[in-house]
Amino acid sequence: SYVLTQPPSVSVAPGKTATITCGGNDIETKSVHWYQQRPGQAPVVVIYHDSDRPSGIPERISGSNSGHTATLTISRVEAGDEADYYCQVWDSDTDHRVFGGGTKLTVL
Amino acid sequence: EVQLVESGGVVVQPGGSLRLSCAGSGFTFDDYAMHWVRHPPGKGLEWVSLISWNGDSTYYADSVKGRFTISRDNSKNSLYLQMNSLTPDDSGLYYCAKDDSGSNYCDHWGQGTLVTVSS
Repeated sequence: SYVLTQPPSVSVAPGKTATITCGGNDIETKSVHWYQQRPGQAPVVVIYHDSDRPSGIPERISGSNSGHTATLTISRVEAGDEADYYCQVWDSDTDHRVFGGGTKLTVL
Repeated sequence: EVQLVESGGVVVQPGGSLRLSCAGSGFTFDDYAMHWVRHPPGKGLEWVSLISWNGDSTYYADSVKGRFTISRDNSKNSLYLQMNSLTPDDSGLYYCAKDDSGSNYCDHWGQGTLVTVSS
């Protein structure tokens, strides 16, 4: 089955840029989606189809996908960005949805 | 406004069974595939199951295949998850989520219902 690998944690100072990676074999051939889950809340999609933003998601949140790594970038990080972030793809071989292990973003 | 409300989570003994429900509103329920996703304590999100808009196609994670059954009743705007032969590894917050019309991601989520498998 397809595996997505994320770093367990990323720390960043307010106002700086956070980069969260999601690794997978030939992931650039897949459409990657990203979810934000704040403590005690349900997940919310922040990026879909590699780099599209749903309405209401600020432009400082962006995504990219190339080679074996997809990346979620959060610019001008704020305290409210502190959350767990998960990448997700569709495994066409099994028709399963696959989540990465999640990355805890800490704002210092 | 899309709303998904899960129910049915309780404390159950290992080997027991449980049925979760999810009531959908604010969208045309029978136009969309639906998912169950769980969040075990201290771990990450795990996709559990998917059902097509009309219920004809169902898919399961390997960890639950043969034990869980997803179903839906479009006349009641409701999604279900029948869970059998439960183990402590099945404990967690179970979310119902709406699929984004074939785009293979979950665009709306409920608040979850808690399942605890413990003796």
